[in-house]
Amino acid sequence: GNSVTQMEGPVTLSEEAFLTINCTYTATGYPSLFWYVQYPGEGLQLLLKATKADDKGSNKGFEATYRKETTSFHLEKGSVQVSDSAVYFCALFETATDKLIFGTGTRLQVFP
Amino acid sequence: GAVVSQHPSWVICKSGTSVKIECRSLDFQATTMFWYRQFPKQSLMLMATSNEGSKATYEQGVEKDKFLINHASLTLSTLTVTSAHPEDSSFYICSAPIQRSTDTQYFGPGTRLTVL
Repeated sequence: GNSVTQMEGPVTLSEEAFLTINCTYTATGYPSLFWYVQYPGEGLQLLLKATKADDKGSNKGFEATYRKETTSFHLEKGSVQVSDSAVYFCALFETATDKLIFGTGTRLQVFP
Repeated sequence: GAVVSQHPSWVICKSGTSVKIECRSLDFQATTMFWYRQFPKQSLMLMATSNEGSKATYEQGVEKDKFLINHASLTLSTLTVTSAHPEDSSFYICSAPIQRSTDTQYFGPGTRLTVL
């Protein structure tokens, strides 16, 4: 079946550091891929998405590129802020069932 | 953007009682809604798919008699945790696609359930 694998956290960074959170997927076909963010005590918010190979999703300084060769969708940001501290979820959309398949989430902690 | 609300945002109840959580799509109609449970170490587990006008579809291992789902209208789905026990304490989140079979879902803010 389809699945998403994320790097384990927590990821701890100083402000202005470069961020990479790895995400790989297993799927039939080429599903849409997503990054969702969950701030403390809140629900999930869509951060960015990509719907086909080589697409780059971007939002709020975050970027992720859909790489079908490596079945990856790594999240990057050039300079993180304390306010970026949250849990980040990678997900794919399973067309046959209309379901989102989530990774386990990666907690990011940014210190001043 | 589309908004999904949940009510209550948090609830504390005694063991053995039932708790109802509402999920509403505020500015769009949702024939399908999803219910998730989030465990303390953050992993998100899909519990069931709520279908307007028909029975919910439960994921393997989820007790349908314990977690009752009703999708009575195009903007409201409810999750009732029956005879709640402390192990049911969790963060429950709902989501809805803005259109059927579209890949973008909007999530509610979640409901924190604590069972004493």
